Amino acid sequence: KAGVTQTPRYLIKTRGQQVTLSCSPISGHRSVSWYQQTPGQGLQFLFEYFSETQRNKGNFPGRFSGRQFSNSRSEMNVSTLELGDSALYLCASSLSLSPVATNEKLFFGSGTQLSVL
Amino acid sequence: DQQVKQNSPSLSVQEGRISILNCDYTNSMFDYFLWYKKYPAEGPTFLISISSIKDKNEDGRFTVFLNKSAKHLSLHIVPSQPGDSAVYFCAASPRNYGGSQGNLIFGKGTKLSVKP
Repeated sequence: KAGVTQTPRYLIKTRGQQVTLSCSPISGHRSVSWYQQTPGQGLQFLFEYFSETQRNKGNFPGRFSGRQFSNSRSEMNVSTLELGDSALYLCASSLSLSPVATNEKLFFGSGTQLSVL
Repeated sequence: DQQVKQNSPSLSVQEGRISILNCDYTNSMFDYFLWYKKYPAEGPTFLISISSIKDKNEDGRFTVFLNKSAKHLSLHIVPSQPGDSAVYFCAASPRNYGGSQGNLIFGKGTKLSVKP
């Protein structure tokens, strides 16, 4: 069974640009969550999607958005990039909406390393 | 304000000895705790978890202890092996009041180095 796939693996952008990151969950998984990892802040929750609907959102500005398609694949978009957006963006998938409540695991992809110059 | 704190950014241990990684939390609404391990250039992988109704959970060389009164949990690795060298993240999840629990609150991580 293929794992969570994130593309691209690395990305370099300049300030003010926008970027779209892609995540394909494990086959059969319907929930996709996004996290930002930075050296100073660790992993921070961005948002979660289930059945094409955003179910939960972390404390990030509106420049960060996402969506989920009918095949459960998800994309996240960051507009008007800032230097501080440089980070590893991780996607995680699970079978259900509340994996922790059902003692499921979250399965993470290898991430997209975004560098903003 | 950090709700999950891992106060030791790094830990170095000799192979064969015990590794103890610590985690403190401030939110009494957390009732499920997890540890994830992360190698460079890879995503975090689930290691072990514990529910707030327990004070200990064991899985092979890994044991997690939970002290609810102190809002503290620890991960013990015995014996430590060089392959255990990675960044370890503590994570917590709040009780479900009808909303999604998909978001985990992570600590900043502790980098464990196990020396041969």
